[in-house]
Amino acid sequence: DSGVTQTPKHLITATGQRVTLRCSPRSGDLSVYWYQQSLDQGLQFLIQYYNGEERAKGNILERFSAQQFPDLHSELNLSSLELGDSALYFCASSVEGLAGGPPDTQYFGPGTRLTVL
Amino acid sequence: GDSVTQMEGPVTLSEEAFLTINCTYTATGYPSLFWYVQYPGEGLQLLLKATKADDKGSNKGFEATYRKETTSFHLEKGSVQVSDSAVYFCALRGAQKLVFGQGTRLTINP
Repeated sequence: DSGVTQTPKHLITATGQRVTLRCSPRSGDLSVYWYQQSLDQGLQFLIQYYNGEERAKGNILERFSAQQFPDLHSELNLSSLELGDSALYFCASSVEGLAGGPPDTQYFGPGTRLTVL
Repeated sequence: GDSVTQMEGPVTLSEEAFLTINCTYTATGYPSLFWYVQYPGEGLQLLLKATKADDKGSNKGFEATYRKETTSFHLEKGSVQVSDSAVYFCALRGAQKLVFGQGTRLTINP
């Protein structure tokens, strides 16, 4: 058990809909990362938040957005869903020290499997 | 940009066989290198890491050495078990984000 929790475990929805995925980081971790794992694209970094602020952006679509709340949990919002958005979405967390410092180990949650029909 | 290339899978071995999964990387600077493992139906777990050249990461009988001269971080285990069946991901961490290889599915037969 990594200490990172994600809800829900599974989500089935229709095209055009909007969903919210939730992540709680390990106790003490200030950074949260979101990743998408799909068969054709592999594991891709989407976005990172550090202590409530966006820190880095990867291959995140404009239809997707995220935020990190004062209690450090994070939500990933996916809207106008398409069939191709079906994937496993992972959240990871790390202590993440000062910017420019050595990168910390990221610990992954169990993922949310999103199926868009 | 940064990238990681892993040995194509799937890999199937018999129990107690020797395992090597190749991983090479392209990066600016000196990234940290990781191996993550994903068991069926689960998230990624950190298996081992190395943060500088010539470092050797090890865990659960697995080892990998950070080779700057060949830009490689090959995963090895001397004697695999059925319980090692999983997908293995090599990754590098540059400035901020993790960049993953495509994953190698390993199946160990009894």
